Amino acid sequence: DTTVKQNPRYKLARVGKPVNLICSQTMNHDTMYWYQKKPNQAPKLLLFYYDKILNREADTFEKFQSSRPNNSFCSLYIGSAGLEYSAMYLCASSPWGAKTGQLYFGEGSKLTVL
Amino acid sequence: QQQVRQSPQSLTVWEGETAILNCSYENSAFDYFPWYQQFPGEGPALLIAIRSVSDKKEDGGFTIFFNKREKNLSLHIKDSQPGDSATYFCAASESNWGKLIFGQGTKLSIKP
Repeated sequence: DTTVKQNPRYKLARVGKPVNLICSQTMNHDTMYWYQKKPNQAPKLLLFYYDKILNREADTFEKFQSSRPNNSFCSLYIGSAGLEYSAMYLCASSPWGAKTGQLYFGEGSKLTVL
Repeated sequence: QQQVRQSPQSLTVWEGETAILNCSYENSAFDYFPWYQQFPGEGPALLIAIRSVSDKKEDGGFTIFFNKREKNLSLHIKDSQPGDSATYFCAASESNWGKLIFGQGTKLSIKP
């Protein structure tokens, strides 16, 4: 089973409210990623976990939080949503290093902030 | 600054034709280039990939042509079918590192 599952698939949030997105995988992959995808833009890496070590990209460091309570689950947390957070959020997993370049993506969580 | 660029943004070809999708990059340290295919409502999935030591990679009707000197590559889809209609993402990474940098994608439509 090479499935990565994301919840919720669709999320409507008010400006200033928190948002929590969930991702799970059953492939025992040690690395999990969160990407943000806006229309006509490239998927942008926000952060990734290698095992329990969180790596956040410099330009999104303060905007997103994440936790990984166990190998299978990873969350993406926005403390106070702004209009600019409206996007598709893609979770992916891979074995460390992903030498084949194969990231396994979920179907995405579409966040709309109003 | 976008490190991986794709063109065109959208492409329409007739069934049976060869679709050509282009990708260029800036970072000379990139040496691994996967292409991902995404259908509506699904996540991207790995289609085919090439390392910078190669100049060509084939898999079924999909071929990557790679030009290290020019820092560009292209994906050729031979005998394209309506089922190939999807968005194709070019990506790049440094060796043995799973941190992929994606292009903005090319939306391909195949007309029957």
